[in-house]
Amino acid sequence: KAGVTQTPRYLIKTRGQQVTLSCSPISGHRSVSWYQQTPGQGLQFLFEYFSETQRNKGNFPGRFSGRQFSNSRSEMNVSTLELGDSALYLCASSPVGQRVNTEAFFGQGTRLTVV
Amino acid sequence: SQQGEEDPQALSIQEGENATMNCSYKTSINNLQWYRQNSGRGLVHLILIRSNEREKHSGRLRVTLDTSKKSSSLLITASRAADTASYFCATSSGYSTLTFGKGTMLLVSP
Repeated sequence: KAGVTQTPRYLIKTRGQQVTLSCSPISGHRSVSWYQQTPGQGLQFLFEYFSETQRNKGNFPGRFSGRQFSNSRSEMNVSTLELGDSALYLCASSPVGQRVNTEAFFGQGTRLTVV
Repeated sequence: SQQGEEDPQALSIQEGENATMNCSYKTSINNLQWYRQNSGRGLVHLILIRSNEREKHSGRLRVTLDTSKKSSSLLITASRAADTASYFCATSSGYSTLTFGKGTMLLVSP
């Protein structure tokens, strides 16, 4: 099976712009989660989608949004970019969203730099 | 917000030595997982231990969980240079949401 695929791998944007990141989960996985990783804050949960519904959301401003499509692919969008949004954005998929004791499979991440 | 802290923040050892990392968390959990990250890349799942388990082994990895102390430890035996990475513990309270610690950077020198 192909792993979790995130595109693009690297992105440079200017303050005030918006950006869309994409994540294709492992085939058959219906749960997709997004995480932000920065040196200062570490790994922080953004949101989780299951069957096209946002099931859980982290403590991020409304500039961060996401969605999931019927094929389980997910996108996250960040509007009005700030310098502090520079981070590695990681997507993770899980096999069965209803079970609580499952591992997450991570993509290689998208490195976003805001200048 | 972070669930807890890993200890130590950084660890430097020689090949062949054992490496022990500790993790503390704050709230009740369904399971605790350990992940490895190489140089700012994606995370790789290492091992999952459920809240009703006390110890688990996988190859050179041994994980313990003490829910009364809200702590876990990861032991890597006979370390190799390829084990050099950052190690994170993550707790799950429900669904697929993980709450990560800040990680331990492990350097294994040949």
